Amino acid sequence: DTAVSQTPKYLVTQMGNDKSIKCEQNLGHDTMYWYKQDSKKFLKIMFSYNNKELIINETVPNRFSPKSPDKAHLNLHINSLELGDSAVYFCASSHADTYSSVQYFGPGTRLTVT
Amino acid sequence: KQEVTQIPAALSVPEGENLVLNCSFTDSAIYNLQWFRQDPGKGLTSLLLIQSSQREQTSGRLNASLDKSSGRSTLYIAASQPGDSATYLCAGPHTGNQFYFGTGTSLTVIP
Repeated sequence: DTAVSQTPKYLVTQMGNDKSIKCEQNLGHDTMYWYKQDSKKFLKIMFSYNNKELIINETVPNRFSPKSPDKAHLNLHINSLELGDSAVYFCASSHADTYSSVQYFGPGTRLTVT
Repeated sequence: KQEVTQIPAALSVPEGENLVLNCSFTDSAIYNLQWFRQDPGKGLTSLLLIQSSQREQTSGRLNASLDKSSGRSTLYIAASQPGDSATYLCAGPHTGNQFYFGTGTSLTVIP
């Protein structure tokens, strides 16, 4: 069974569009995350979220917004897409906060902005 | 701000060799350190998690150590196999709930 799933796996879109990436975890975890992996393969955290708190990496543009309809889902919505947004986006989840728990990652969504 | 560096960036070894991957971080105020592997085009798989109170963790042929005082962690892989070929990443949460990943080491094990 898939623990952390993301859709779509590939997303190609034009500049200026608005798009969403969905993430679901069936692990019963409390905290979910979004990461961006750029062309140099460097991973950066964008958001961490549980039902109590949303923590945003200060470098993330406000065009990016996480939306959580329930504890098992954390979707990433991106407004006014730019070329520099092209990257692989990974969703992850953990049982509690980042301090003590293993993070489980989804397979990634490769976003290409043309 | 935490910076996490991994050395070497790439490593190629013949099958059967023991090898060590290094991870260094600038701020010792980490709560734990996690090692992952990433296969090409795939997501990350967690390998080992070391809590800040621990010195090492072992899983099969893998052994990870943590020395907070020196800002270093190592991942030791014994008797390497071609299936170990992947990119290995270390990552640790910093105070403030920010999670920082290293730059990665690309490992190739030659049959």
